Amino acid sequence: EVQLVESGGGLVQPGGSLRLSCAASGFTFSSYEMNWVRQAPGKGLEWVSFMTSSGRNIYYADSVKGRFTISRDNAQNSLYLQMNSLRAEDTAIYYCARRLGYSYLAAFDLWGQGTMVTVSS
Amino acid sequence: QYVLTQPPSASGTPGQRVTISCSGSSSNIGTNTVNWYQQLPGTAPKLLIYSSDQRPSGVPDRFSGSKSGTSASLAISGLQSEDEADYYCAAWDGSLNGVVFGGGTKVAVL
Repeated sequence: EVQLVESGGGLVQPGGSLRLSCAASGFTFSSYEMNWVRQAPGKGLEWVSFMTSSGRNIYYADSVKGRFTISRDNAQNSLYLQMNSLRAEDTAIYYCARRLGYSYLAAFDLWGQGTMVTVSS
Repeated sequence: QYVLTQPPSASGTPGQRVTISCSGSSSNIGTNTVNWYQQLPGTAPKLLIYSSDQRPSGVPDRFSGSKSGTSASLAISGLQSEDEADYYCAAWDGSLNGVVFGGGTKVAVL
């Protein structure tokens, strides 16, 4: 089955760190560019980060730049998001999402079920 | 707050046609294609329209997209109860070097 499964969410104190994982299966993970997208409770979608299939090119939203780091292990079919210096406003469901193809810049055709991150003391 | 602007809500009766607008600028919609997502309550978003007017396989042809200048639209014809959801537009922004979303439009079937 073609799917993405996120894990690693939880409750963390402000200033703390968390590492999210996204396990891919059913497709050739190394051929796809991947993203993280988040959704705060009751709010809309916010793009967080993007990484090319090779890992050579990376982009971040200004809101997380310098605090979050995206990475991938193509041998393990996994995508990661290291989140440091967490703030209350980072509280959200975090989704990993597959880009449809190289030229489809904002088209995400496969999403995971999401993992909840709560930043609170 | 959101780079792309959508109306917060839209509604229609079963069978009606509903249109959702998405307004951007030259750095996003003006130079890149638009994508639309449907999010049913409690679920992950689903790609509904890509490249402004293309439907992924499995998406009913009741859903259509268009783009003109710095604006785009999603149309739902023959509205059905299962179309009650939040709809988001998204595009790449060349100035921000990232993906930007609209704030979402909640569609209600009356």
